[in-house]
Amino acid sequence: KNEVEQSPQNLTAQEGEFITINCSYSVGISALHWLQQHPGGGIVSLFMLSSGKKKHGRLIATINIQEKHSSLHITASHPRDSAVYICAVRSQGGSEKLVFGKGTKLTVNP
Amino acid sequence: DGGITQSPKYLFRKEGQNVTLSCEQNLNHDAMYWYRQDPGQGLRLIYYSQIVNDFQKGDIAEGYSVSREKKESFPLTVTSAQKNPTAFYLCATSQWAADTIYFGEGSWLTVV
Repeated sequence: KNEVEQSPQNLTAQEGEFITINCSYSVGISALHWLQQHPGGGIVSLFMLSSGKKKHGRLIATINIQEKHSSLHITASHPRDSAVYICAVRSQGGSEKLVFGKGTKLTVNP
Repeated sequence: DGGITQSPKYLFRKEGQNVTLSCEQNLNHDAMYWYRQDPGQGLRLIYYSQIVNDFQKGDIAEGYSVSREKKESFPLTVTSAQKNPTAFYLCATSQWAADTIYFGEGSWLTVV
């Protein structure tokens, strides 16, 4: 079993829909990252969370440490949001290593 | 502009050859990382460095080598010992382990 599980693997939505991507992990963590990978391959960091909730524009990320679960929400989705969204966790203890989920491929149709 | 520059974007290697992927950053970050991405897989750590002249093996270091002679540069050499080198390679940096991580645009390596 992977330490980081994302769901769904693939997601297709219509423009304007509310999107939720989930991430569950099995280890104690010091931080969780949400990343966005564009079709060309480049990756952009969206959020780094250790507790609670963060919002940036139409993106909202939440984390529940007790349940070892995080969600990424996209409000009023747009075709330009089409990308692969990746969850990654850094284990407790100051480890240099991030453990990555396999990603969720989001396609938003106009 | 501040950022991370990886080159080349596309690289073809003949079997038995070593190739070197370049990663340069002007963010003044201490930590630099190399990851490998295969289709349907999460990113996997090859090597990382927290300080000049020091680096550590990641989860899949076999067949790879790195150097960190300058803070700005962390080149990755894919040696002939790496039996399945065709993949997408990503360089990343952060100010320290607990900070936001920044990625380069990646390099596609294909063995021909």
